[in-house]
Amino acid sequence: QVQLHESGPGLVKPSQTLSLTCTVSGDSISSGNYYWSWIRQPAGKGLEWLGRVFNTGSTTYNSSLKSRVTMSVDTSTNQFSLRLNSVTAADTAVYYCARSRRAVAGGYYFDYWGQGTLVTVSS
Amino acid sequence: ETVLTQSPGTLSLSPGERATLSCRANQRVSSNYLAWYQQKPGQAPRLLIYDASSRATGIPDRFSGSGSGTDFTLTISRLEPEDFAVYCCQQYGSSSGVTFGGGTKVELK
Repeated sequence: QVQLHESGPGLVKPSQTLSLTCTVSGDSISSGNYYWSWIRQPAGKGLEWLGRVFNTGSTTYNSSLKSRVTMSVDTSTNQFSLRLNSVTAADTAVYYCARSRRAVAGGYYFDYWGQGTLVTVSS
Repeated sequence: ETVLTQSPGTLSLSPGERATLSCRANQRVSSNYLAWYQQKPGQAPRLLIYDASSRATGIPDRFSGSGSGTDFTLTISRLEPEDFAVYCCQQYGSSSGVTFGGGTKVELK
């Protein structure tokens, strides 16, 4: 059974960098069968896709965050990571990692998700 | 950007009733690349439907998706107690990204 689990600090100070890791079990990132995404949801609001990473390290980011976001992958530990710099209170949200399937000539949908981790940006 | 609008915001129903949820896009969704997810507090979101009408693995057949172009529907034929949750649609018709709807809450009447 595929499982994903997010980990990282629950509190980040404004202007600093948010860093999260997603640990995957039940599947191998190195297999190259899927992409791996980060998605977030501010309280009371809708979901926002942040971007995705492939096992080669190639990335695609949401254009609204492109200048602040970095994603990476570590196939030796079966983990992938998110870094979001220069955070503000608007980045406070539940952050999810998810396994992503790519549609032919399209984008991605998400067949397995982590439970999410709340990150609060506050001094 | 493709904006998805879900309606109604809240649906109040009883177990055994039929639920019909709408997801409308502001432009055509390419190849009907639309998915539906179920969200419950503290749980991982669950993929229900992809490609507008294909059920994901392990999803009961009381869940069905339909629609094309800009108008899509998720139908739950007979609500079970575990179906009371928030449902969210997502389009992936563009290779440059994806967008989600704001969600519909199905609550116990």
